[in-house]
This record gives sequence, structure tokens and C-alpha cells, in this order.
Amino acid sequence: EAGVVQSPRYKIIEKKQPVAFWCNPISGHNTLYWYRQNLGQGPELLIRYENEEAVDDSQLPKDRFSAERLKGVDSTLKIQPAELGDSAVYLCASSGRTGSRNTEAFFGQGTRLTVV
Amino acid sequence: AQTVTQSQPEMSVQEAETVTLSCTYDTSESNYYLFWYKQPPSRQMILVIRQEAYKQQNATENRFSVNFQKAAKSFSLKISDSQLGDTAMYFCAFFFSGTYKYIFGTGTRLKVLA
Repeated sequence: EAGVVQSPRYKIIEKKQPVAFWCNPISGHNTLYWYRQNLGQGPELLIRYENEEAVDDSQLPKDRFSAERLKGVDSTLKIQPAELGDSAVYLCASSGRTGSRNTEAFFGQGTRLTVV
Repeated sequence: AQTVTQSQPEMSVQEAETVTLSCTYDTSESNYYLFWYKQPPSRQMILVIRQEAYKQQNATENRFSVNFQKAAKSFSLKISDSQLGDTAMYFCAFFFSGTYKYIFGTGTRLKVLA
């Protein structure tokens, strides 16, 4: 079974440019998370989806960040325009059906974003 | 609000020895889950072990075990017979089904020495 797939693995952009990250969760997983991990820190939640609905986006900087999960499967996270402080690893994770006892989150390999 | 604290930024251990990583957390909830995730240089977070708060028995997975002290809100990870492949960042994480959100500590960088 394929795990969580993210692309690209690395991205270098100039500040003020747009950037997008893509995530394909594990088949059948209804819950999808986007996390941001700054250097030397633990991941911090940006947004959580249940199917196609964003149920927790309280930590998403909505002035420049947007996300979508059309059809409740794969997801895209966008930054426009990027700032120097957005340099980080962006991790996508998925987990089983809400309310189930399967609470393990499976992570992708992340996208390392460098804004110059 | 829940918080997770890992007070050891870096640790090292000799191969085949035992090491314990510390984690404390703060919550007012009674039913939750605790996890240890490993993040090697490849960046992919891998689940090491999981503990359900309502279970008094400490979880064990092969060479990995936890010491879960619910009253003290402590959740330490013990790695026995350390191997070079255990070298990685280790993150303690708290999960509460009310928010369905994982909250991570700042991590402990473990280096296993040959």
C-alpha cells in the first residue's frame, strides 16, 4: 500500500513568488492534515480536513495561505506571496475515519521550502 | 490548551546501550493518546509507539517501551539495545479526539554512537 505522497520534495523560490505543494493521502483516509515544521521545532498544524471540509484552519495565515481538498482525496497548499519567514518543511499527514480508534497519523516526506 | 514539553534537545548513547527520552505534557482532559514519532534525515515521521491514556499498562514495541505516569503527566520513551539506525529526531505528541489534533513537542535529537 502506498503511503502519503507529497511533491515536490524541495522548492526554492524568491520572496513574493507563489508556491504550491501537493499531497495524496493514503487511500481511504478521510482526515488530512497540513503541518509546518520550522527548523529545530516540532510540526505545527496549519489545517485539518475531514473529507473535503476544512474543519480546523484556525492556524492558517489566511492572508497568504490557502488550501483545498477537492473530492476529499488529494490536497494542495498554496502560499501567495511567499515571505522569507515561510521557509520551513511542510508536512502532509492522513489518518483513518473520524471517531475510529485508529488515531495514528501517517506522514509524507514533506516539502522543504526555501524562500530567498 | 494542551502543551507538550521535551526538555532534552540532544542526547547520545553508545550502540547496544539503553537510553530514555523524556516528555511531559499538560492537559485537563482524561481521555487522550500519546505518541512517540521518529524523524530520520529523510524527514518522514514514523510512528514508534502509542499509548492510550485510559490504559494503565505501559506500551511496548520490541526494543521500545514507555513509562506513562498519568498523574504526573509524564511519558518517557526507553530504547533498549540502541542501534545506529535509531539515530534521528524523536518527537512526543499528544492527541485528543475532541480536537482531533496532534500537538508535538520540540523534539530530541538522538545520536547512537558506534
